[in-house]
Amino acid sequence: QSALTQPPSASGSPGQSVTISCTGTSSDVGGYNYVSWFQHLPGNAPKLIIYEVNKRPSGVPDRFSGSKSGNTASLTVSGLQAEDEADYYCNSYAGNSYVFGTGTKVTVL
Amino acid sequence: QVQLVQTGGGVVQPGRSLRLSCEASGFSFTAYSMHWVRQAPGKGLEWVSIISTDGTIKIYADSVQGRFTVSRDNFKNTLFLQMNSLGPEDTAVYYCATDMAGGAFDIWGQGTLVTVSS
Repeated sequence: QSALTQPPSASGSPGQSVTISCTGTSSDVGGYNYVSWFQHLPGNAPKLIIYEVNKRPSGVPDRFSGSKSGNTASLTVSGLQAEDEADYYCNSYAGNSYVFGTGTKVTVL
Repeated sequence: QVQLVQTGGGVVQPGRSLRLSCEASGFSFTAYSMHWVRQAPGKGLEWVSIISTDGTIKIYADSVQGRFTVSRDNFKNTLFLQMNSLGPEDTAVYYCATDMAGGAFDIWGQGTLVTVSS
């Protein structure tokens, strides 16, 4: 149950796009289309923003999109806004367990 | 109002036990598998456990296997986490969350802090 690998940080100016990678193995990310992404602000509960690789829950702006290729999933935030500054975590089903990514801090410059 | 309200956190000595609760309201609790997730200070999120809708299937992370027990009372719409043999490494904010499907943790509790310290 090793954590999925994410870059520690990412940044962009308002209006730009930022893409966060989430690398696992064929036993988790690569083996199932059950990758989720969460936005986490300090002091708050995490918020689901993408599930099943590329689906958005109701109320999540379409600026957030997800994809997957092989053992790597990605989250793209387009048209960055100041309110997008947060920690982002991926999560994958791993066959009878779940595993989170190491987390990425997104800074809006 | 759809919500999960957590209780039961606090400070506990190493080797002791603590039970967390997570009460659901505003939605059909019995329709969801439920997870526990934790975040140690300065660290990332860590998946802890899942329990099936009827409570018959329970799965744990290696880090808590044999020490933690998840359970649920579907009549009281409440999820529990019994934590035994606690160590400093268990210090974290613990969250409960629903599973919409395949790890889509869509409703979260507010989190409760557990501090293991002498």
